[in-house]
Amino acid sequence: QQQVKQSPQSLIVQKGGISIINCAYENTAFDYFPWYQQFPGKGPALLIAIRPDVSEKKEGRFTISFNKSAKQFSLHIMDSQPGDSATYFCAPFSGSARQLTFGSGTQLTVLP
Amino acid sequence: EAQVTQNPRYLITVTGKKLTVTCSQNMNHEYMSWYRQDPGLGLRQIYYSMNVEVTDKGDVPEGYKVSRKEKRNFPLILESPSPNQTSLYFCASSLKGSTEAFFGQGTRLTVV
Repeated sequence: QQQVKQSPQSLIVQKGGISIINCAYENTAFDYFPWYQQFPGKGPALLIAIRPDVSEKKEGRFTISFNKSAKQFSLHIMDSQPGDSATYFCAPFSGSARQLTFGSGTQLTVLP
Repeated sequence: EAQVTQNPRYLITVTGKKLTVTCSQNMNHEYMSWYRQDPGLGLRQIYYSMNVEVTDKGDVPEGYKVSRKEKRNFPLILESPSPNQTSLYFCASSLKGSTEAFFGQGTRLTVV
C-alpha cells in the first residue's frame, strides 16, 4: 500500500520561474508535514515543514500549502534558482509511530 | 560540528560476505534509524532505535540486523548480503520529541 504519492517525478523550470511539487497521503495518523531537500552525494536535509493546524507556511522563497480535507500538501518554490536544483521529498511524520514516510521524490532542474 | 557520520561511503562486496556499515552521531540524539534509497521508491526505513538497547523493525527489515550498545553508534549489519540489497543507505538521528531528522552522507553498497 502506497501511503504517500508524490508528483511530478521530475520537473524542469527556467530560472525565475515557480516550481510546484505535490504530495498526497492516506494515513490520517500523520501529524507533521515536512519537505526534505537532497543534493547529489548528500543526505536529505529538512527544508520546510508545516503542522496540520495551519494551511500555509512561508520561509523565504519556499512555501508549503496544506489541505487537510483533501489530504494533500504542496511545495512552492518562487523565483527558482539553479542552486535549487536537487531532489525533493515529502515525508509526512507520524508522532505515534515516530516515523517519517517518504514520497518517491521529485528531481528538480532549474535552467540558468 | 554536529553531524551523522557513516562509513564506508562506498562498498562493493560479494554475495554472502558479511559486512557492517557504521553510523555515529555527536548530537546526543536518542533516536536513530537506517533507510535505504532506491530509484522511484524514495527512502524506506529498515530499522530504528528509540534509545540504547532498544531497536525495532521498520518497513523493510529482512536481511538486516542492527545493534545499539552506545547512544552515539548504530551499526547496520548484513550477515549474508544479496544483490537485491544493492542500494544507497542512509543513517539518521533525531532528538526525542523532535520531528527533524539529521542524515548522514550515505553509503553506496553494491553486492555482486
